[in-house]
Amino acid sequence: GESVGLHLPTLSVQEGDNSIINCAYSNSASDYFIWYKQESGKGPQFIIDIRSNMDKRQGQRVTVLLNKTVKHLSLQIAATQPGDSAVYFCAEIYNFNKFYFGSGTKLNVKP
Amino acid sequence: DTEVTQTPKHLVMGMTNKKSLKCEQHMGHRAMYWYKQKAKKPPELMFVYSYEKLSINESVPSRFSPECPNSSLLNLHLHALQPEDSALYLCASSQEGDSPLHFGNGTRLTVT
Repeated sequence: GESVGLHLPTLSVQEGDNSIINCAYSNSASDYFIWYKQESGKGPQFIIDIRSNMDKRQGQRVTVLLNKTVKHLSLQIAATQPGDSAVYFCAEIYNFNKFYFGSGTKLNVKP
Repeated sequence: DTEVTQTPKHLVMGMTNKKSLKCEQHMGHRAMYWYKQKAKKPPELMFVYSYEKLSINESVPSRFSPECPNSSLLNLHLHALQPEDSALYLCASSQEGDSPLHFGNGTRLTVT
């Protein structure tokens, strides 16, 4: 979904379930993408990245999928834990050193 | 703890004040960034320094003045700010090219 006004789209999941967070990026020339996690009172923290010559990349409990045809990025978190509760942003880079962030999704993990 | 250190953590200033935000990194990164983040919004790019030279200014008002004294330090000088400039100001650094940004925890700025 898209954020409207002061409301971030929120995804609520049960602890132990898998989470999928989606992002639509804007520039078809973007060639590098990153997912960030931001906890309250902190700066964004790097989770995983992917380059445009790939369509999938896996990390520890996380997987990023890239669909360049529809300019869509997703982050899958396996076995979601309460510590995963945060706001998640995707970022795209184009024109060398220009990192732009998507609107963000708040993940709420219920114990 | 992050490898990018920002000071101060909190700052309250009046509209006639002059203040500076400071950022330091010792990862040998040659690109440094200032972002502004309002509540419940994504970070917005303000400035990028590459090899200590200003390479990107995203049409930021002149009341914000960046400075990069050396490859480890980045400052943001503030003068005659408006209440709507109240936000979290984030500093980040990266290697040149396609590599992730490393963020500090920001300075929470309130303009009264």
